[in-house]
Amino acid sequence: ILNVEQSPQSLHVQEGDSTNFTCSFPSSNFYALHWYRWETAKSPEALFVMTLNGDEKKKGRISATLNTKEGYSYLYIKGSQPEDSATYLCALNSGYSTLTFGKGTMLLVSP
Amino acid sequence: ETGVTQTPRHLVMGMTNKKSLKCEQHLGHNAMYWYKQSAKKPLELMFVYSLEERVENNSVPSRFSPECPNSSHLFLHLHTLQPEDSALYLCASSQGRAGVGTQYFGPGTRLLVL
Repeated sequence: ILNVEQSPQSLHVQEGDSTNFTCSFPSSNFYALHWYRWETAKSPEALFVMTLNGDEKKKGRISATLNTKEGYSYLYIKGSQPEDSATYLCALNSGYSTLTFGKGTMLLVSP
Repeated sequence: ETGVTQTPRHLVMGMTNKKSLKCEQHLGHNAMYWYKQSAKKPLELMFVYSLEERVENNSVPSRFSPECPNSSHLFLHLHTLQPEDSALYLCASSQGRAGVGTQYFGPGTRLLVL
């Protein structure tokens, strides 16, 4: 069983703050790492798929980095806005037909 | 709107009922998935279908029975469920090799078993 850990479990920041969270995974079982954003009562929405060590991806104010040798990925949000409030999930694909998800980081951004 | 729809959005059923969850994807994808989301737990994969063949069954009890009649539709047939099966059931689809490509999720069916 693969263990995908996310920290922190939850985070509460003020509008305008920058923030980051971590996803850790077993480096020996890496094929691809996915980040999703899940707003309450909506569908999880894909943010990034990362495959190469040192990958850095960006979408607006959100960016992610990947270190496959040490088994972690960071997600950064610059200048958080209330609409960024959501649960951020990471998921590991180890080359088979499945994704193993972490429990997520729940972000709340207050105006 | 992700292009993946699920019906019903909410379902309450007794332990002796039989019901079905439906998922439809309008994205032309060739792989479809069922996930279960229970409180305080990560999303758990239940089943994977690739080109209408089941390629993964993640030790799911037989009271859950999936069906994939074509690449656009996926069903989850429910029979004699237990209260602990109450959860959010999410469907997803992807293109290419199952599990590798970006998955597009439906909004889920919130199931309550009484």
